[in-house]
Amino acid sequence: QKEVEQDPGPLSVPEGAIVSLNCTYSNSAFQYFMWYRQYSRKGPELLMYTYSSGNKEDGRFTAQVDKSSKYISLFIRDSQPSDSATYLCAMSGDYKLSFGAGTTVTVRA
Amino acid sequence: DSGVTQTPKHLITATGQRVTLRCSPRSGDLSVYWYQQSLDQGLQFLIQYYNGEERAKGNILERFSAQQFPDLHSELNLSSLELGDSALYFCASSPGAQGGETQYFGPGTRLLVL
Repeated sequence: QKEVEQDPGPLSVPEGAIVSLNCTYSNSAFQYFMWYRQYSRKGPELLMYTYSSGNKEDGRFTAQVDKSSKYISLFIRDSQPSDSATYLCAMSGDYKLSFGAGTTVTVRA
Repeated sequence: DSGVTQTPKHLITATGQRVTLRCSPRSGDLSVYWYQQSLDQGLQFLIQYYNGEERAKGNILERFSAQQFPDLHSELNLSSLELGDSALYFCASSPGAQGGETQYFGPGTRLLVL
């Protein structure tokens, strides 16, 4: 079993829809949770960073962490074609980051 | 632009050869991380250096090695290359030593082994 599980999709939604992405993990030592966005095999860029359980909002993006269920989510509201990318969850204990496989999202105009 | 630079952008070579990938971290960052991303394996952590010293090791093959120099740039050496080594290789950097810090990724080096 992988440390971090993420459905690779692909996920296709119409413009303006809410995109819902999630990851599950097995390592209880994970404390830091991140979401990265990657366009066309370019370098991943950090979208959201959370440390504890709960919600964190940044513009159209909301990250949720539920440590008791070992489950994290990313929601994108009012999705735009420019949000079409691969989204990777990442998490860490005290040293290395472990990444999910990434979910490919396409937002149709 | 993350501030992390990687060279070269593309590399085409033959099986059995050796190549060196180079990374310059963001100004002020002391940690450099190397990752391999292939279509079927996702983003795999290879190795981390912090201020010149190896800090953490992931799924790095014995044919691969890395180092971080006093000016903090890092090089990843890949030897006895195989077809399966074809992948994107990313470098990331962060200010400190803890892996839980935000890591900033470079644009990557696309390696094709023929």
